[in-house]
Amino acid sequence: SQKIEQNSEALNIQEGKTATLTCNYTNYSPAYLQWYRQDPGRGPVFLLLIRENEKEKRKERLKVTFDTTLKQSLFHITASQPADSATYLCARYLTDKLIFGTGTRLQVFP
Amino acid sequence: EADIYQTPRYLVIGTGKKITLECSQTMGHDKMYWYQQDPGMELHLIHYSYGVNSTEKGDLSSESTVSRIRTEHFPLTLESARPSHTSQYLCASSGQASRGTEAFFGQGTRLTVV
Repeated sequence: SQKIEQNSEALNIQEGKTATLTCNYTNYSPAYLQWYRQDPGRGPVFLLLIRENEKEKRKERLKVTFDTTLKQSLFHITASQPADSATYLCARYLTDKLIFGTGTRLQVFP
Repeated sequence: EADIYQTPRYLVIGTGKKITLECSQTMGHDKMYWYQQDPGMELHLIHYSYGVNSTEKGDLSSESTVSRIRTEHFPLTLESARPSHTSQYLCASSGQASRGTEAFFGQGTRLTVV
């Protein structure tokens, strides 16, 4: 079955550093990978989408890469801030189903 | 601001009661989804719909049922609530899956069955 795996352990980093989160998928490469942010008790909010023919995508302090050889996407937050603390999810479509990874909790300390 | 709404926001109900969780979107999206999520745990897809009169079960087995009579409305029903149904239920919608379009989520319904 198609699976999306993210590091289930929380990532703790100091303010100002770059946070890097990993998303690994199995079997065939998706045409798109999406990244979302989820705060406690709330629904996920879309951040970035990257296509399989794109190596990298940027939006302000966010950067996403997509390596179809490694079957992996990396999500980077540069100059991280305490307000960036949240759970970050990657997601892919399987025909009409939108499937999410397990999510990685990021904690940024002042 | 996403135009997708869920009601109620919180619901505490006794075992055996029938409940319906409401979800509406005003974006004209064909795709709609229901996810179940326990605190600190992953999102599990329980139902989805790709248009009016089309519904499918997701990857996580659920005793709930859904209907899609109108594009904008995708309610979820539990005929007889049990404590094991206690969870957060999140509704979402999206445009064309073939274009990888983003999903918009409602604020969720936190259900507690006592």
